Amino acid sequence: QVQLVESGGGVVQTGRSLRLSCAASGFTFSSYALHWVRQAPGRGLEWVAIISYDGNNKYYADSVKGRFTISRDNSKNTLYLQMNSLRADDTAEYYCARDTINYYGSGSCGYWGQGTLVTVSS
Amino acid sequence: QSALTQPASVSGSPGQSITISCTGTSSDVGGYNYVSWYQQHPGKAPKLMIYAVSNRPSGVSNRFSGSKSGNTASLTISGLQAEDEADYYCSSYTSSTSYVFGTGTKVTVL
Repeated sequence: QVQLVESGGGVVQTGRSLRLSCAASGFTFSSYALHWVRQAPGRGLEWVAIISYDGNNKYYADSVKGRFTISRDNSKNTLYLQMNSLRADDTAEYYCARDTINYYGSGSCGYWGQGTLVTVSS
Repeated sequence: QSALTQPASVSGSPGQSITISCTGTSSDVGGYNYVSWYQQHPGKAPKLMIYAVSNRPSGVSNRFSGSKSGNTASLTISGLQAEDEADYYCSSYTSSTSYVFGTGTKVTVL
């Protein structure tokens, strides 16, 4: 069965960096686009970034553009989110998610991890 | 990119049908058929209920259906059940090669 397991969250000071990982199993990793989505405590969902199945295309929300970098290692079945210059409003549960349809996808997140909490404080 | 607009709350009695709206612009909902809907129970990860406007993933009840007209997408839940009580979010692809979620709707089963 499809499994996505995030790790790397924790408490970090304002301005510092953190790298999240998402280990995938149960499907052909290199065939699917992957997303990062976050949710601040008590708030709604916010889309963060997407990477194409082959890693050649990456797109970001304006709120993280220039600070966050999405990447993937298809040989390790792992998705990453490098987060730099962290701010208090980056505090959230971060979810990785797999597109519903392989290759060029459907723009929807058919499978989600359980999330990892990032807390940015001064 | 501004969040898509959803009603804050919708309620209904068991067995009834309810509809949740999701209003965007011609640059997102109205311009693409990449609208999806998610259900989220407290403390849980979201679950995909509808993708590409009206497609149900395998395993999702046929009580859930999606549609779109102009810049507004809709999720209808028929035969409302207690387990449907949750938060629901719409999402759309945008002309900025990004995605945007809706503001979220709390569904209450009376």
